[in-house]
Amino acid sequence: ILNVEQSPQSLHVQEGDSTNFTCSFPSSNFYALHWYRWETAKSPEALFVMTLNGDEKKKGRISATLNTKEGYSYLYIKGSQPEDSATYLCAFVGSQGNLIFGKGTKLSVKP
Amino acid sequence: DSGVTQTPKHLITATGQRVTLRCSPRSGDLSVYWYQQSLDQGLQFLIQYYNGEERAKGNILERFSAQQFPDLHSELNLSSLELGDSALYFCASSTRHSSGELFFGEGSRLTVL
Repeated sequence: ILNVEQSPQSLHVQEGDSTNFTCSFPSSNFYALHWYRWETAKSPEALFVMTLNGDEKKKGRISATLNTKEGYSYLYIKGSQPEDSATYLCAFVGSQGNLIFGKGTKLSVKP
Repeated sequence: DSGVTQTPKHLITATGQRVTLRCSPRSGDLSVYWYQQSLDQGLQFLIQYYNGEERAKGNILERFSAQQFPDLHSELNLSSLELGDSALYFCASSTRHSSGELFFGEGSRLTVL
C-alpha cells in the first residue's frame, strides 16, 4: 500500500508570514510528484509537476523542492496572503501511473 | 473552468440503488481518473483509464465499475449503494497516462439515504 503523508495537517498563520509544508512519499518506483491547491467549494488545481531529483519550481510566491532519494517534497509560501488559504495536496505518481494523494495541509491565513 | 464536465452535480438516492456518474474530459485529454472523497478523508484513487483501456486500479469496490467510451467520456457505476458510499466523486483528466497534471471536474456529490 502506497503511503503519501503530508504535514502538518493544518496550519494557521498571519498575513505576511512565510510558511512551508512537507510531503513524504515512497522513494522507490518514483515517476513524478504533483502539488495541487484546493480552495473550499472548488476543485483542486495543479500548482507544480516535478519529476527530477533536486527539482525546484516557482510560481509567484509559491515554490517547491523535490528530493526523490529520500522521498520528500517541500512547498513554500512566501509572505502568505488571505487568498492563499486553501488545502494543499501532494500526489505521488508511481511507475504504474496512478496518482496517490496525501490528505493535504489546510492553510488558514489571517489578515 | 477546467474543461472537465461532470454530471450530475448532486444526486440523492436510497440504499440498494444503482447510479451512474458521467465525466467528459477536456478536449484532447486521453486519460481519465476517478477519485472518491468521503468526510474527513482525502482523495481516494478509484480507477484510471487511458484511451479506452483500464490503466490502473485503486481501492475500488467490486460494487463499483467504470468504463471509458470511444469518444473518451467515462462513466462510474455504483451499485447496491450503502450509506458509506455517500461522498464527493471527482473525475479528472490529463493529456498523458502518467505524470501530466490533472484537471478536475467540479465533482458529483452523492448522498445515500
